[in-house]
Amino acid sequence: GAVVSQHPSRVICKSGTSVKIECRSLDFQATTMFWYRQFPKKSLMLMATSNEGSKATYEQGVEKDKFLINHASLTLSTLTVTSAHPEDSSFYICSASRESRYQETQYFGPGTRLLVL
Amino acid sequence: AQKITQTQPGMFVQEKEAVTLDCTYDTSDPSYGLFWYKQPSSGEMIFLIYQGSYDQQNATEGRYSLNFQKARKSANLVISASQLGDSAMYFCAMREGYTGNTPLVFGKGTRLSVIA
Repeated sequence: GAVVSQHPSRVICKSGTSVKIECRSLDFQATTMFWYRQFPKKSLMLMATSNEGSKATYEQGVEKDKFLINHASLTLSTLTVTSAHPEDSSFYICSASRESRYQETQYFGPGTRLLVL
Repeated sequence: AQKITQTQPGMFVQEKEAVTLDCTYDTSDPSYGLFWYKQPSSGEMIFLIYQGSYDQQNATEGRYSLNFQKARKSANLVISASQLGDSAMYFCAMREGYTGNTPLVFGKGTRLSVIA
């Protein structure tokens, strides 16, 4: 089946630093990728939709200057958490969409756990 | 209004027994897809089963089946012959429209605990 990777799987950083998370589709081209955030014991909340070659679409309440998204190619989207603060600590998970009428059209990465000290 | 409602925060089931996890949804789009994902403690989202709004039959995947009642807008997941490894969080999700360019909306999840 389709595989989506994320890197890093876990990161600890100091407050004020920036962290880049990569999401790659490994065996298909993804015109659209999605970034979700999940707090402990909570559900996944959509942060933004990343479209290859165009600007990302952010959900209401998500700071676009805080969470920079770049979809540079059909296999790579990056999420950069700028000037991270402890409240940004969370589980970030991406999904890659393949345009298809098949049943499973979104494939999730394994997620990245971010801890900001 | 919530688009996906999972009313059971936690469920317990005896090993080898069947369990039903509830999910109701709300949409006015005639085309939509319903998904169930399993999330173990590792965090990865494991796809379990999918039901399209136009599918006539209930979806089945091994021990998983989806009880799709369109008029009631419910899409309950049935796990038969529960195993200890089934202990995890389970999320119901919906995609409105019939394209992969639409994000999924998730319910709050149900934590299933399988007891030996």
